[in-house]
Amino acid sequence: DTGVSQDPRHKITKRGQNVTFRCDPISEHNRLYWYRQTLGQGPEFLTYFQNEAQLEKSRLLSDRFSAERPKGSFSTLEIQRTEQGDSAMYLCASSLASRGDTQYFGPGTRLTVL
Amino acid sequence: AQKITQTQPGMFVQEKEAVTLDCTYDTSDPSYGLFWYKQPSSGEMIFLIYQGSYDQQNATEGRYSLNFQKARKSANLVISASQLGDSAMYFCAMREGTGSARQLTFGSGTQLTVLP
Repeated sequence: DTGVSQDPRHKITKRGQNVTFRCDPISEHNRLYWYRQTLGQGPEFLTYFQNEAQLEKSRLLSDRFSAERPKGSFSTLEIQRTEQGDSAMYLCASSLASRGDTQYFGPGTRLTVL
Repeated sequence: AQKITQTQPGMFVQEKEAVTLDCTYDTSDPSYGLFWYKQPSSGEMIFLIYQGSYDQQNATEGRYSLNFQKARKSANLVISASQLGDSAMYFCAMREGTGSARQLTFGSGTQLTVLP
């Protein structure tokens, strides 16, 4: 039973460039979440999918951010025109509607914007 | 107001001793879930334990137990027989309600160091 995987694990980019991250959830999980975590803080919610439908977006998700889950399986998170303030760990989690609807997290993608 | 408060930025415990990590929460929703996650220096968030607001008994998972005091709105994590591998950041999190919003709200975490 493989866990949540994320790619890449690390990304260094220059300000103004676009970046895209990928998340592969646990295979039977129909819910997928993106969070952002800055140093010394807990993760903050960005967006949530149930199957391919994006059901919730945080106000943290500015117009430069877009997320997709085209076939209800893997998801991508794209950041356009990156800014230094986008530097953070981007965490993906998945869950299955059951007792607790527990979210299981991937290893994260650490983004550094120079 | 903070929804999840973890007042201990850092904690030390001697190996094989028990330790309690504090968490208080704030919600007006009668239905909610409380979670604890462990984050080692590698970065991955590891699920430890879950407590539902309607659960009558405190949750336990191996060496982890959750001391749930609903009236005080606290959900403290107790780790028994600490091991060196327990050294990590620990986060308390809450999910409110049963509607479409499924996101977790996290506290700021407690850094636990287990001393040999």
